[in-house]
Amino acid sequence: QVQLQESGPGLVKPSQTLSLTCTVSGGSISSGGYYWSWIRQHPGKGLEWIGYIYYSGSTYYNPSLKSRVTISVDTSKNQFSLKLSSVTAADTAVYYCARVPMVVGYYFDYWGQGTLVTVSS
Amino acid sequence: DIQMTQSPSSLSASVGDRVTITCQASQDISNYLNWYQQKPGKAPKLLIYDASNLETGVPSRFSGSGSGTDFTFTISSLQPEDIATYYCQQYDNLPPGITFGQGTRLEIK
Repeated sequence: QVQLQESGPGLVKPSQTLSLTCTVSGGSISSGGYYWSWIRQHPGKGLEWIGYIYYSGSTYYNPSLKSRVTISVDTSKNQFSLKLSSVTAADTAVYYCARVPMVVGYYFDYWGQGTLVTVSS
Repeated sequence: DIQMTQSPSSLSASVGDRVTITCQASQDISNYLNWYQQKPGKAPKLLIYDASNLETGVPSRFSGSGSGTDFTFTISSLQPEDIATYYCQQYDNLPPGITFGQGTRLEIK
């Protein structure tokens, strides 16, 4: 059973960089066949896709966040990470990592439990 | 970019009722439409993928249909544990991207 677990600071100061890591267990990122993704949810709001990465390092980002987002992968640790720069209060959200099977209509089949990141001084 | 319009935004129904949620895409997305259930404080859970395929382990009272621009999600007989917010999600390959609907909050009457 694949499991994903987000980790990182729960509080980030405005203008700084938000950094989160997702650790995958029960399966190897480097085995291929899946994208690894970040999604966020503002408090009381809907879901927003941030981007995803393949084990090779290929990435795709939401155009609305592309200028501030970097997703990277560390296959040796079976982890992938999110960096979001120049954060503001509008980036306060629950951040989820999830797996996307590489099939024609992409969907998220496994999710982490989510981690709340608050942007505040 | 493809826009998704999900309706209604909220819905109140009785146990045993048939419940229907719709999602409309701004252009043809074939069957690239998925449905999720999210309970308070929890991550979303995949219920239906590719418009009509039931994810393994999901009760058969959940179903999905549609193609092109119009999609429907149905709970055939509402159960108390179905209280949640439901989201549709589409995939667009030009450029590659994923969009969620606004969500439907389902409550028991």
